[in-house]
Amino acid sequence: DIQMTQSPSSLSASVGDRVTITCRASQGISNYLAWYQQKPGKVPKLLIYAASTLQSGVPSRFSGSGSGTDFTLTISSLQPEDVATYYCQKYNSASLTFGGGTKVEIK
Amino acid sequence: QLQLQESGPGLVKPSETLSLTCTVSGGSISSSSYYWGWIRQPPGKGLEWIGSIYYSGSTYYNPSLKSRVTISVDTSKNQFSLKLSSVTAADTAVYYCARGKVDIVVVPAANWFDPWGQGTLVTVSS
Repeated sequence: DIQMTQSPSSLSASVGDRVTITCRASQGISNYLAWYQQKPGKVPKLLIYAASTLQSGVPSRFSGSGSGTDFTLTISSLQPEDVATYYCQKYNSASLTFGGGTKVEIK
Repeated sequence: QLQLQESGPGLVKPSETLSLTCTVSGGSISSSSYYWGWIRQPPGKGLEWIGSIYYSGSTYYNPSLKSRVTISVDTSKNQFSLKLSSVTAADTAVYYCARGKVDIVVVPAANWFDPWGQGTLVTVSS
């Protein structure tokens, strides 16, 4: 089975900072990767699919990149409402796997 | 706007079967573009995909849960359901249902999920 590893597991940054979260697959998955945001006590929300396609309605400060085994989610200017845990999910096959999550806090 | 709503008992005894239903409104469960999935999240932990079903009844399950999981669909009621047998405390979690988008034609069950239901907490305890 392909494992998805996110790093860091948590981070603290200031408002306005550029934040980068990494997701690494144990085998190549082309660009079949999605990113979700889960605010405290809330339902996960799709941010990005196909590694870099922004879901409708998602602010443009969010972006995704990568292909193969290494992927990144970038928040270009961190806002207070971005406090959340972010998960990647691979979907290159019918066996779907989420990463362990990255908790983003405001410094 | 498509909405999903989970329903079912919030408390299940160890060794019994957990049963949940997801009701889809604002759209048809019989769309060829989507699978319908179950995902769970133990308290304070990450997300785990349980399994997915197509309106035709085709299913895919997480290998780690496959022996205990059954997912079914009732297109007449626009619902799909989850059964998880022989539960233990480790199955305590918030259970979400979600719509899975078919993104790879040759692997239709390879989905990302949007939208999600509100989730329902199921506690396994005697």
